[in-house]
Amino acid sequence: QVQLVQSGAEVKKPGASVKVSCKASGYTFTSYYMHWVRQAPGQGLEWMGIINPSGGSTSYAQKFQGRVTMTRDTSTSTVYMELSSLRSEDTAVYYCARAPGTSYYYYMDVWGKGTTVTVSS
Amino acid sequence: SYVLTQPPSVSVAPGQTARITCGGNNIGSKSVHWYQQKPGQAPVLVVYDDSDRPSGIPERFSGSNSGNTATLTISRVEAGDEADYYCQVWDSSSDHPGGVFGGGTKLTVL
Repeated sequence: QVQLVQSGAEVKKPGASVKVSCKASGYTFTSYYMHWVRQAPGQGLEWMGIINPSGGSTSYAQKFQGRVTMTRDTSTSTVYMELSSLRSEDTAVYYCARAPGTSYYYYMDVWGKGTTVTVSS
Repeated sequence: SYVLTQPPSVSVAPGQTARITCGGNNIGSKSVHWYQQKPGQAPVLVVYDDSDRPSGIPERFSGSNSGNTATLTISRVEAGDEADYYCQVWDSSSDHPGGVFGGGTKLTVL
């Protein structure tokens, strides 16, 4: 079955960077775009960006431009989300979520369980 | 950027019908998707493209979209439906196209 397995919880200091991984299985990795969405404690969902695992092209939310980098490794069917210059407001659960395809990628049909990132001095 | 507005909370008795709205400027021209999130869990897609259901989602979940309001309707509400619900669209109209979520609605089953 389709699975997205994310890396474990992270604790980072302000100013540092974090890199979260999301390993896909149960489907053809390069045939489905991947979104990243985050959720701060007690808050709603926030879309961060999307990556095409086939060619590696990305599109980021304006809020995260310059601070976020999404990459992929097709040999391991893994996508990565790196967020730099961390501040306390980046404390959140970060989710990878698969898009339903590559020609129609406007929603998320399968979600990972999330990775908690805590930013604290 | 595009804004989606949801009521913070909706309450309904078991067996009744819950309606959760999602407001946006001319949202009827966009495809709306709905997610259910229970405490401590990842979101789950319950309706996509306004009114389609993924496999495994009960027929009790349905959606509609017209004008400036999209609606998620849950019929014969059960205790297990208590959760946060989020609407989402893809905003392709701005310089930075991307996903947009509503603020979420907490459904309480009385």
